[in-house]
Amino acid sequence: ETGVTQSPTHLIKTRGQQVTLRCSSQSGHNTVSWYQQALGQGPQFIFQYYREEENGRGNFPPRFSGLQFPNYSSELNVNALELDDSALYLCASSSGQGTGELIFGEGSRLTVL
Amino acid sequence: GENVEQHPSTLSVQEGDSAVIKCTYSDSASNYFPWYKQELGKGPQLIIDIRSNVGEKKDQRIAVTLNKTAKHFSLHITETQPEDSAVYFCAASDEVTGGGNKLTFGTGTQLKVEL
Repeated sequence: ETGVTQSPTHLIKTRGQQVTLRCSSQSGHNTVSWYQQALGQGPQFIFQYYREEENGRGNFPPRFSGLQFPNYSSELNVNALELDDSALYLCASSSGQGTGELIFGEGSRLTVL
Repeated sequence: GENVEQHPSTLSVQEGDSAVIKCTYSDSASNYFPWYKQELGKGPQLIIDIRSNVGEKKDQRIAVTLNKTAKHFSLHITETQPEDSAVYFCAASDEVTGGGNKLTFGTGTQLKVEL
């Protein structure tokens, strides 16, 4: 098992810019979820991808979007960055859309100045 | 939607003592309750989980209990060691309707095990 890998690990952007974060799911996992973790808080669900389609979304605006590729890897895109978007973005994979057994990556730390 | 409350926010114990972290949830449809350990600079690591068809589950020094009626679940760590120091998160989701990936997390407990 290779685990969940994310890139980049750290990045700095300015307000109004756009960012793309990448995630490779654990071998054998076909479902990817993205979470936002603000400093000192628990992770918050952004959305889930299964069979290359968004399948469940949390309370995040449309400027948060994503993709899932045929190899189950995924991207998170955030447009028009705001200061409050500064957070750790976590990708998690699982073996199915229904299971809660998520394996998290180490995250991408985004700082918006 | 689901709301998960977690207590205490910080917990300091002596090495070898037990630690207990408690969570409550609001949505009776939730049926899956995992616990995650997060070390500084790392992603959350699943340490134990429980589903609503059982009341207790144990794995070596770690145990989780679930009271569906009261909507409470707790993490118990016995014989604590310095390497147990981390932030612990409880979470809840509804696996039955396909929403298992949508975990609602508590606010976390900073556990410090002192020598």
